[in-house]
Amino acid sequence: EPEVTQTPSHQVTQMGQEVILRCVPISNHLYFYWYRQILGQKVEFLVSFYNNEISEKSEIFDDQFSVERPDGSNFTLKIRSTKLEDSAMYFCASRNRGLSNQPQHFGDGTRLSIL
Amino acid sequence: TQLLEQSPQFLSIQEGENLTVYCNSSSVFSSLQWYRQEPGEGPVLLVTVVTGGEVKKLKRLTFQFGDARKDSSLHITAAQPGDTGLYLCAGDGSGNTPLVFGKGTRLSVIA
Repeated sequence: EPEVTQTPSHQVTQMGQEVILRCVPISNHLYFYWYRQILGQKVEFLVSFYNNEISEKSEIFDDQFSVERPDGSNFTLKIRSTKLEDSAMYFCASRNRGLSNQPQHFGDGTRLSIL
Repeated sequence: TQLLEQSPQFLSIQEGENLTVYCNSSSVFSSLQWYRQEPGEGPVLLVTVVTGGEVKKLKRLTFQFGDARKDSSLHITAAQPGDTGLYLCAGDGSGNTPLVFGKGTRLSVIA
């Protein structure tokens, strides 16, 4: 069964450094999302992306964050200057149509640790 | 701001017992999805409920969407140790809106 894949599975970075998290959504999906989950807390929405532009973003997704779909398969999340509070699991999700009865499928996440 | 309240937060039961997990909101959702998440992994979709009053069964798991589409429940019959995990409900709005997650119910089934 097709799945969303994310790399790396674990990223350790010094505070202030840039980090890029990568995702390969399911191939026929058109809507892409990033969520994060701080340890012990609930999954929180960051940003949605469709037709090569951001559809919606949360308050968490400030100027330090950006997303890109550089080619036909990858979907990336960049954090420009990481902070300690950026430490979390970051999940990529995709769905084939922007309808509420079409579920979002999640990758296994990237654990980001900021030192 | 839409919120989903899940209860209970933690549940520890003996193998063979039945249990129900609740997901409640004051907001109406177009659909509601239930996921299961293992440590170090992403949420894995169990079911999507769309119609108010809808009931879906997945082996020993029964999912129900409230008539007003504001709440949902997950009932597990004769729980087994393999059911142990974190169960998440997530509400979906209209169009391409992001999912709103509950905090999850951590279930432990003891043999």
